[in-house]
Amino acid sequence: DIQMTQFPSSLSASLGDRVTITCRASQSIITFLNWYQQKPGKAPDLLIHGASSLQIGVPSRFIGSGSGTDFTLTISRLEPEDLATYYCQQSYSTPITFGGGTRVEIK
Amino acid sequence: QVLLEQSGAEVKRPGASVKVSCKAPGYTFTNYDISWMRQAPGQGLEWMGWISTHNGHTTVAQKFEGRITMTTDTSTATAYLELRSLASDDTAFYYCARYFDTSSFDRWGQGTLVTVSS
Repeated sequence: DIQMTQFPSSLSASLGDRVTITCRASQSIITFLNWYQQKPGKAPDLLIHGASSLQIGVPSRFIGSGSGTDFTLTISRLEPEDLATYYCQQSYSTPITFGGGTRVEIK
Repeated sequence: QVLLEQSGAEVKRPGASVKVSCKAPGYTFTNYDISWMRQAPGQGLEWMGWISTHNGHTTVAQKFEGRITMTTDTSTATAYLELRSLASDDTAFYYCARYFDTSSFDRWGQGTLVTVSS
């Protein structure tokens, strides 16, 4: 199974800050990496697919990058509605696996 | 965003079974696989398996082999997950999601809370 390691597990930042979340795969997954946002009490929403492609309707402040084993999700300017937990997920092979999540709080 | 429509919360005794439904409106059901994930309270996401809505073929995570059955009813565009021999650590939100052409889960159900308690 491919292990997905996400860090940090939580962070606190101010509105307008640049926020970076990292995801590392235990083996190369090329660009089969997706990012999801989950707000409290809600189902996850797809933000980024294919490591760097913005899902339709997602604000452009969300930026995905990386390939192989190392990936990054950047929120260029933190907004109040970005309070959520973010998950990476690999779709290179089954079993599909998710990172442990990064909880983003607003200072 | 159009959500998939899941059945309501369930409370079950240990050892029982539960069946969760997931209706998929607004697109051609048989064009995309449906996957099932679960999330224990305060925990991360765990993939359980998926089903081809085209031919019914399933792939199940090893952890759940022999304990889950995934089916579809193409006449009603509905997918089903049955989980048997429930234990307290099966208490979780269960989600269905559409696996799109981009190799990602682009539509999710609202989640079904299954509580296992004696």
